[in-house]
Amino acid sequence: DTGVSQDPRHKITKRGQNVTFRCDPISEHNRLYWYRQTLGQGPEFLTYFQNEAQLEKSRLLSDRFSAERPKGSFSTLEIQRTEQGDSAMYLCASSPGQLVYGYTFGSGTRLTVV
Amino acid sequence: GESVGLHLPTLSVQEGDNSIINCAYSNSASDYFIWYKQESGKGPQFIIDIRSNMDKRQGQRVTVLLNKTVKHLSLQIAATQPGDSAVYFCAEIAPGNNRLAFGKGNQVVVIP
Repeated sequence: DTGVSQDPRHKITKRGQNVTFRCDPISEHNRLYWYRQTLGQGPEFLTYFQNEAQLEKSRLLSDRFSAERPKGSFSTLEIQRTEQGDSAMYLCASSPGQLVYGYTFGSGTRLTVV
Repeated sequence: GESVGLHLPTLSVQEGDNSIINCAYSNSASDYFIWYKQESGKGPQFIIDIRSNMDKRQGQRVTVLLNKTVKHLSLQIAATQPGDSAVYFCAEIAPGNNRLAFGKGNQVVVIP
């Protein structure tokens, strides 16, 4: 599979619990992005990495959210002390270089906080 | 700003007819635009892109038109098929930026 992979596809968690999602980008892509999408809305940018460096973070990324890409390959997004408002689809995307051409999304992780 | 919530603008189209989906973008400095198709439970899928130095670009069964004067994009789908049923988003990006800014989605329902 040469696409962007995300795991898990679905996650149900109780409010207050921590969750972690994983994204495996296309192997030759050095840029990796996280977006959040709520029902009926377009995806909203959260953060992006170039290789292992996190270069930009949105104001949407509160201090309960942390993302890592330790070896410049896969990335994890952790949400601590989840709230019901965190329920959304979390999308990962990758692109091969400085430009956004070839920007490819994964199928996302659907988070439901109960 | 306005919240669409669950009530997406919906275009119902007969199979075989042409579809036109419209999008207003927000940043006059944006120089690259992409149309994405999103099916239920899946991530956005690239359809076609256009740079700001063009006003029209054609792909296979799809055409994107860009009107920078009024900050408007449209996506035309020729001979719409049942597999075209999805939500369609336009996205823009400004020079030096790394984030895609998505517009409101438009749901297309193809009637067999």
